[in-house]
Amino acid sequence: EAGVTQFPSHSVIEKGQTVTLRCDPISGHDNLYWYRRVMGKEIKFLLHFVKESKQDESGMPNNRFLAERTGGTYSTLKVQPAELEDSGVYFCASSRKTSGKNTEAFFGQGTRLTVV
Amino acid sequence: GQSLEQPSEVTAVEGAIVQINCTYQTSGFYGLSWYQQHDGGAPTFLSYNALDGLEETGRFSSFLSRSDSYGYLLLQELQMKDSASYFCAVRDTNAGKSTFGDGTTLTVKP
Repeated sequence: EAGVTQFPSHSVIEKGQTVTLRCDPISGHDNLYWYRRVMGKEIKFLLHFVKESKQDESGMPNNRFLAERTGGTYSTLKVQPAELEDSGVYFCASSRKTSGKNTEAFFGQGTRLTVV
Repeated sequence: GQSLEQPSEVTAVEGAIVQINCTYQTSGFYGLSWYQQHDGGAPTFLSYNALDGLEETGRFSSFLSRSDSYGYLLLQELQMKDSASYFCAVRDTNAGKSTFGDGTTLTVKP
């Protein structure tokens, strides 16, 4: 079974530019999460999809961030325009269920975004 | 608000036992998870406690006391490869998202 894959692994862009991160969850996982870790601090929740629907987007920092999951498969996270404080590692995770057993989330390797 | 506290760094020697504590204050609680992350890698799920008590998985065990809002990860027979960051995370709703602590950097020395 392939794990969660994220693309690109690294991205360096200039302030004001646009970047789109992609996440392919584990096949069959309806739940997809985006998290980010900034400056080596805690991993902070951004949003949660159940299939193609946004279940919870309370962690999205502002309207420069747009996440989509058309068709309920892969997801994209677009930052437009990027600011310096957006630099960090963006993780995607997926899980099969959200209650009971087997609810663990599987994380991708992350995309390291650097805004200069 | 949500907050989790865990030590920032822990150092131990090969073969030893180490305990990483985690205390939390969250508006809701459904369970406590532990993740391991090696430099540049993906956080990897280690364990999940929804009920009080000890869960054992090989060399790793995790404990939860909901009345004390406290849990710990116990690593036994430490190996060099256990050097990594360890995160506790609280699932504070039934919807699956988690709130993470800042992480504990474990260094295992020969």
